[in-house]
Formats: sequence, structure tokens, C-alpha cells
Amino acid sequence: NAGVTQTPKFQVLKTGQSMTLQCAQDMNHEYMSWYRQDPGMGLRLIHYSVGAGITDQGEVPNGYNVSRSTTEDFPLRLLSAAPSQTSVYFCASKEQGNTEAFFGQGTRLTVV
Amino acid sequence: GIQVEQSPPDLILQEGANSTLRCNFSDSVNNLQWFHQNPWGQLINLFYIPSGTKQNGRLSATTVATERYSLLYISSSQTTDSGVYFCARRKAAGNKLTFGGGTRVLVKP
Repeated sequence: NAGVTQTPKFQVLKTGQSMTLQCAQDMNHEYMSWYRQDPGMGLRLIHYSVGAGITDQGEVPNGYNVSRSTTEDFPLRLLSAAPSQTSVYFCASKEQGNTEAFFGQGTRLTVV
Repeated sequence: GIQVEQSPPDLILQEGANSTLRCNFSDSVNNLQWFHQNPWGQLINLFYIPSGTKQNGRLSATTVATERYSLLYISSSQTTDSGVYFCARRKAAGNKLTFGGGTRVLVKP
């Protein structure tokens, strides 16, 4: 199993550009989520999904869209990038119930 | 809102020393995880420990859910233990992990 795979690892965007961060997991986990980590801080939840076709907002959802068309994939879209979205983005997945979450390697995004 | 507080914020250790990191949470917890974020930014699962004590090599963790805290013990620290240690808790349903601010550990040779 590859676990949770995020692409790309690094990205530089200009203000106003759009892009999609990819996240895929091969563990057949129902739950997937996106977090952002700003310098010197813990992770904050952006959006999450409890299964295919179901998504919901987390703590800091503004500026981001998600969809969950399959169990395996949970892409995060930035429609119009802003410098405030410069951060490291982590995708996570877990099984249903009280189980541990597994994180991808992260995507370091810089918006100039 | 739900608070997760970690202490100390920074820790400098001499190689071989032992240390204890603390995680306090303001609400009941149904599961709690400890992570190590290495200098390359990778988040590594250390423990999934909603209650009780677990050990993995030189690391061990204890969660006392009724008193709303968890402890991470590092024994005989090594330079590879350097990085940031996060605790995160989740309520029963869903996938909403709330992270503490982390403890930054530097182990000097």
C-alpha cells in the first residue's frame, strides 16, 4: 500500500491563478480531510469528507473547494489563489470509527 | 471552542537525556494521537492513544482521559528525535482533528 499520496510536493502560484492539489489513498478509507499548516502552528482543518459524494467545511474553508467523486480521491481546489494561502497542505484519511488518521507527505504552496 | 494546549513550546535536550511532553485538552476526548513532524516536514504517526499507556521503543505515551491530559515520554533521546511533536484529539464522530501548537524539540549531540 502506498498510503496517502499527495501531488505536487511543491508549487508556486501567482495571485489569482487556480490549481488543484491532488490526494489519493489506497486503503479504502471512508474519511478524508485537508489541513493547512502555517509557520510555527499546528494543522487546521479546511474541508473533510465522510464518504464519496459527501463533503463538509472545516475550520478554515474560505477560498477552497472540494469534491469526492470516488472513495480514493479527494482533490482540493484553489479557484483564485491569494498570498494568504501560502502554506503547507496535508491530506489525511482514516477508517470509520475511532481509528487513527494517516497523513500524506504534504504540499508546500507559495502564492506570490 | 475546543482547546488543545501543549507544553513546553520548546525543548532543548542533550543526547541521552529523558523528557516529558504534555498535552492538555479542554473537552472530553474519544481518541488522541501523537505525531512527530521531522525536519523535512513529514508527519509521522507515533501513537493512537485515547486512554491508557503504550510503548514503542524509546517512546511511550499515557492518556488520562478523565483528567484531560496526555503525556509523551522520550527516553535516551537521540538527534533523530529532533522535530516538532504534535498531539491532536478528535471527538467521537467524523474526522475533525484539533491540533495543539506543538513542542519543538532539539536534541544536541
